[in-house]
Amino acid sequence: GAGVSQSPSNKVTEKGKDVELRCDPISGHTALYWYRQRLGQGLEFLIYFQGNSAPDKSGLPSDRFSAERTGESVSTLTIQRTQQEDSAVYLCASSSHGGMNTEAFFGQGTRLTVV
Amino acid sequence: DQQVKQNSPSLSVQEGRISILNCDYTNSMFDYFLWYKKYPAEGPTFLISISSIKDKNEDGRFTVFLNKSAKHLSLHIVPSQPGDSAVYFCAATSQGGNTPLVFGKGTRLSVIA
Repeated sequence: GAGVSQSPSNKVTEKGKDVELRCDPISGHTALYWYRQRLGQGLEFLIYFQGNSAPDKSGLPSDRFSAERTGESVSTLTIQRTQQEDSAVYLCASSSHGGMNTEAFFGQGTRLTVV
Repeated sequence: DQQVKQNSPSLSVQEGRISILNCDYTNSMFDYFLWYKKYPAEGPTFLISISSIKDKNEDGRFTVFLNKSAKHLSLHIVPSQPGDSAVYFCAATSQGGNTPLVFGKGTRLSVIA
């Protein structure tokens, strides 16, 4: 596709339910990142995939969060047993190689609201 | 412990004047710095970057200055235009860009016509 695509754009879920967020990166981009932005906060790093290397999961806030990536394409971020503090905009970005010192392209984000 | 700090949550500037957005960092391992711009309901878009081997990078109306000794960088927009109104995020990375970007909280710029 022309850009990074995320779905859904909005998700409202009940506390305790699981949610799955999807990211389609730009074709050919080997690096993929998940960030989240809580209200009034900056972008918080969650996880980073680079090619076939083991993902950098150092930003995941708890074991309720997990992410997968199929090869160099689609990634899904799963949040189990959602809590109200998980409410945020979840942003995915991709870049053409492992460094973000080249331009990284962000999707429009998924706004998650846990009620 | 915030490694990248944008201490001004908002800034208002008149159209045609200069906008100066500031950013401070604490991690001396950071060697590459980027500015992203974000409009409501959109993802951030890359604006301009600077390597730690430089102290200035210019792209049209946008100039980024880096003061490594002070661990400070700034983004200058001149002249400011109403379309520049957005949230600006400062970000930093290390190891030549091979670590995830660390973002500041952002500064909301409003350019008043």
